[in-house]
Amino acid sequence: EVQLLESGGGLVQPGGSLSLSCAASGFTFGTDSMTWVRRAPGKGLEWVSIINTGGTYAYYADSVKGRFTISRDNSKSTLFLQMNSLRAEDTAIYYCARGNNAQYWGQGTLVTVSS
Amino acid sequence: DVVMTQSPLSLPVTLGQPASISCRSSQSLVHSDGNTYLNWFQQRPGQSPRRLIYQVSYRDSGVPDRFSGSGSGTDFTLKISRVEAEDVGIYYCMQATQWPGTFGQGTRVEIK
Repeated sequence: EVQLLESGGGLVQPGGSLSLSCAASGFTFGTDSMTWVRRAPGKGLEWVSIINTGGTYAYYADSVKGRFTISRDNSKSTLFLQMNSLRAEDTAIYYCARGNNAQYWGQGTLVTVSS
Repeated sequence: DVVMTQSPLSLPVTLGQPASISCRSSQSLVHSDGNTYLNWFQQRPGQSPRRLIYQVSYRDSGVPDRFSGSGSGTDFTLKISRVEAEDVGIYYCMQATQWPGTFGQGTRVEIK
């Protein structure tokens, strides 16, 4: 059974940093690209970032480019999202998903950016 | 970026009746490999999103056959043949043909 378990969310002040993790199991992690998606309160889903299988190529939404960094450790079947210079509008539930087409999703981790 | 536009944004439906959601893209979603990477997701209240349909019309494992997807190019549709109570939630289309991926605004399905 495919499982994706996000962690690392919490309350952070504007301008602060946070690092999210997504532990994967039930599939060969290194053979799939991985995606981060978020949903802000009262808003719809927003695609955030994607990384290829080897971790050598990443792409970001304009809203997070230059502030967020996606990475992965295939030996530990774990996906990461380093979030710097956080803003109030980054407040959201962050989901990791398997593949370009988001076949499976985790339960999400809540990030709150507030003073 | 490809803009995805869904309609309607709110869809009250009577139990047992059909429902249809439209999704239009600002550019053709046909990839250079010939496939069309248009997906549909359901997000029930308090749950994570779940993929229902991929590549326009292929149902994911475990998805009831009352859900169907169709369309081509820039025009796509999700249909529910007979709405059940468990179908309440928000439905999103998402294109993965071109990065960044983009979602529609979401369509809220509720029971009348």
